[in-house]
Amino acid sequence: DVKVTQSSRYLVKRTGEKVFLECVQDMDHENMFWYRQDPGLGLRLIYFSYDVKMKEKGDIPEGYSVSREKKERFSLILESASTNQTSMYLCASSLKGSKLFFGSGTQLSVL
Amino acid sequence: AQSVTQLGSHVSVSEGALVLLRCNYSSSVPPYLFWYVQYPNQGLQLLLKYTTGATLVKGINGFEAEFKKSETSFHLTKPSAHMSDAAEYFCAVSSGGGADGLTFGKGTHLIIQP
Repeated sequence: DVKVTQSSRYLVKRTGEKVFLECVQDMDHENMFWYRQDPGLGLRLIYFSYDVKMKEKGDIPEGYSVSREKKERFSLILESASTNQTSMYLCASSLKGSKLFFGSGTQLSVL
Repeated sequence: AQSVTQLGSHVSVSEGALVLLRCNYSSSVPPYLFWYVQYPNQGLQLLLKYTTGATLVKGINGFEAEFKKSETSFHLTKPSAHMSDAAEYFCAVSSGGGADGLTFGKGTHLIIQP
């Protein structure tokens, strides 16, 4: 079974802190994605990557950056966390043209 | 550009009754369509997907969906609801089979009444 692992299930940070959310997949997938999930808004794509060191902006990239130095790892970075970034963050991976596999999510609270 | 509209943020049905969750999409190219389910405190799991070919797609747990191009719809159905079906359901569209990321609807919370 494909496994997509997000490093933290719950995270609490303060406004202005730099935050790293880590995601690792174990199936050699080319594509990796970061979404945020908010009640009533569904999932919105922040960034995605289709290869090592490649990244593409999704629908809501403002306030975020990403890093993909290795194929299996895709990091989401909040340079200066703000309260409106309190959300559930979901990482996903896929082979090109195939279905997405999701991690269990990281619930981030910014105080 | 592509988008997804799910009608009804909450749907309540009785156990044993028909489940119908509505999804309409817009896409400038032939779409790939997906339904995902999210159980409490879990990530999303793929229920079923339509890419090409047969328009009636069968998925896991007895769910199925029919792609209707003329109506730009991809509604999800299950003949008989079970208590374990209570979850959040997301419809999604992609123009590239997933390589460019999915565009999700806002979700429908399915409530099963005993």
